[in-house]
Amino acid sequence: EAGVTQFPSHSVIEKGQTVTLRCDPISGHDNLYWYRRVMGKEIKFLLHFVKESKQDESGMPNNRFLAERTGGTYSTLKVQPAELEDSGVYFCASSPRGLAGYEQYFGPGTRLTVT
Amino acid sequence: RKEVEQDPGPFNVPEGATVAFNCTYSNSASQSFFWYRQDCRKEPKLLMSVYSSGNEDGRFTAQLNRASQYISLLIRDSKLSDSATYLCVVRSSASKIIFGSGTRLSIRP
Repeated sequence: EAGVTQFPSHSVIEKGQTVTLRCDPISGHDNLYWYRRVMGKEIKFLLHFVKESKQDESGMPNNRFLAERTGGTYSTLKVQPAELEDSGVYFCASSPRGLAGYEQYFGPGTRLTVT
Repeated sequence: RKEVEQDPGPFNVPEGATVAFNCTYSNSASQSFFWYRQDCRKEPKLLMSVYSSGNEDGRFTAQLNRASQYISLLIRDSKLSDSATYLCVVRSSASKIIFGSGTRLSIRP
């Protein structure tokens, strides 16, 4: 079974540019999460989708970040315009519905560098 | 104060040693608890869930003390391959998931 995949693995952009990160969860997983780890800090929750609906987006830093999950399959996270402090590793995770959904499966992450 | 706090580390122990990590959490309403392992520049991977009665998986034992809001992980007979960062993760709702900053473990031959 394929795991969670993320694209791109690395992205280097200039301040002010736009970047879109993509996450493909494990097939059949209703829950999809985005997380971010900035240098030297712990992994922080950004938002949670259940199928195509945003269950909780309380962790989104500001309105420069927009996440979508049209059709309840893959998700995108767009940063527009990017700022220096957005640099970090963005992880996506998925889990099935119900109690089994307490265990999350992480993708390899996208390392974003804003210069 | 952070919602989930872990031993700062790094821990540097010889192969075969027993090592213990601690984690405390501040939200008494927390429901689920996990230990994840993260290798350098890799994604976190679930090591084990932590149950109230304590649970064991091979050389790994996890304990939960709800009264003290404390979680522990014990690794016995450590192997070189156990070298990694160990993340304490606490869930208080379907969405609210808090990660500790991790404890780095290095096993030396």
